[in-house]
Amino acid sequence: DARVTQTPRHKVTEMGQEVTMRCQPILGHNTVFWYRQTMMQGLELLAYFRNRAPLDDSGMPKDRFSAEMPDATLATLKIQPSEPRDSAVYFCASGLVVDGTPSTETQYFGPGTRLTVL
Amino acid sequence: QQQVKQSPQSLIVQKGGISIINCAYENTAFDYFPWYQQFPGKGPALLIAIRPDVSEKKEGRFTISFNKSAKQFSLHIMDSQPGDSATYFCAAGGRGSNYKLTFGKGTLLTVNP
Repeated sequence: DARVTQTPRHKVTEMGQEVTMRCQPILGHNTVFWYRQTMMQGLELLAYFRNRAPLDDSGMPKDRFSAEMPDATLATLKIQPSEPRDSAVYFCASGLVVDGTPSTETQYFGPGTRLTVL
Repeated sequence: QQQVKQSPQSLIVQKGGISIINCAYENTAFDYFPWYQQFPGKGPALLIAIRPDVSEKKEGRFTISFNKSAKQFSLHIMDSQPGDSATYFCAAGGRGSNYKLTFGKGTLLTVNP
C-alpha cells in the first residue's frame, strides 16, 4: 500500500530552535508539495518540487524557512529559528507529472507533522 | 488574494439529507477542480474531481456540479451518513497553474444520526 510518510508526527519545541520535518514521497512520484494547515488560513502551499527541482516557494517565509530534496525519496522542510506563529500542521503531498501532462493530478497527502512552538 | 472561496464554513445535516458545499474561483486558467475530504488527524484525500469540459460528475453519492460561466462549482452529498462527517476542501489547479492546487478554506460537515 503506497503512501506518503512524514516524520516526526508531532514536534514540540521552544521558540528559536531549529525544526526539521521529513517526507518520503510515494515511490515513483516526481512532484512533492509542502503545505501548512491552520484554522485561520486553511491549507497554504509553501513550496513544491518537480524532479527534485524547486518550482515555486513563494508561499514560504524566506528568512526562516527552507525546503530541499536531497534525493528522490526524501524532502525536507526546515524552520530556523522557529516562532510561535509557526505552530501548525505541516503536510507533504506527492504526485506524478509526466512530460508536462499529468498521468493523474491527484495529490497524495501524508499524515502531517503537528508542530507546536512554545 | 484568495483565489478560491468556499462556503459555508460549517454545515450540519441530518442523516439521509443532502449536503451542499459551494466554491467560487477567480483564475480562468484553472482547468482542474477536485474536492478533498479530511478526517481528524489525517491528511486530505481526493474524493472526486471535475474538468471544465463537463457540467456534472457523479461518483456514488457524491456529485460535482460545475458552472464555467459563473466560475463556480459545488459538491453535493446525497443520503448523507454520519461517516461522511469530515472537513471538505475544494481546490482549483491544472496545467494553467503548473499543476499546483489552490485550496478553499474548508467546510466542516457534521451529519447527525
